[in-house]
Amino acid sequence: EIVLTQSPGTLSLSPGDRATLSCRASQTVSNNYLAWYQQKPGQAPSLLISGASSRATGIPDRFSGSGSGTDFTLTISRLEPEDFAMYFCQQYGSSLWTFGQGTKVEIK
Amino acid sequence: QVQLVQSGAEVKKPGASVKVSCKTSGYTFTGYFMHWVRQAPGQGVEWMGWINPKSGDTNYARKFRGRVTMTRDTSITTAYMELSRLTFDDTAVYYCAREGDKTPAMLYWGQGTLATVSS
Repeated sequence: EIVLTQSPGTLSLSPGDRATLSCRASQTVSNNYLAWYQQKPGQAPSLLISGASSRATGIPDRFSGSGSGTDFTLTISRLEPEDFAMYFCQQYGSSLWTFGQGTKVEIK
Repeated sequence: QVQLVQSGAEVKKPGASVKVSCKTSGYTFTGYFMHWVRQAPGQGVEWMGWINPKSGDTNYARKFRGRVTMTRDTSITTAYMELSRLTFDDTAVYYCAREGDKTPAMLYWGQGTLATVSS
């Protein structure tokens, strides 16, 4: 199965900062079937990005996804207070789906 | 609107089984795969598998094969996930999640069901 490694584990930033989150796969993710989810405490994850770069409906354009093959990035251009949360990448390009371990974006 | 409503919290003893239901509404139940995902307290998210509600076909993560069974009842548009031979490490919030209309990624999520394994 494909192992996804996210870095860093924690990102300490201030509102207005730019956040860059990385997700590296142990094998090529077929068709760039890579998604990003945001999760806030006590809530289910929420889809942000699918297909590596397509924003889900209603997701602000400060969220952008990029990358291909084995290296993917989620960028939040200017952090809003509501963006401080956990972020998970997930691949669905193989028959066995997997998640990364997550990156916590916290207020500095 | 699409809704996934899960059953309530469960407390089970080690060795027992837990069965979680996911009642759906607002869309054609047989038209979209349903996934199950879990999250242990303070931990990351773990994909458990999917069921095709139309055919009943399933695909389970290797870690759970032999212990998990995903089923559905199309007459009441409900999906089920049963996990057997529970251990303390199975204490987690279990989610059902449906793929999107234009993406296989998980767009719609249930509210989660906490299953606690305790002696």
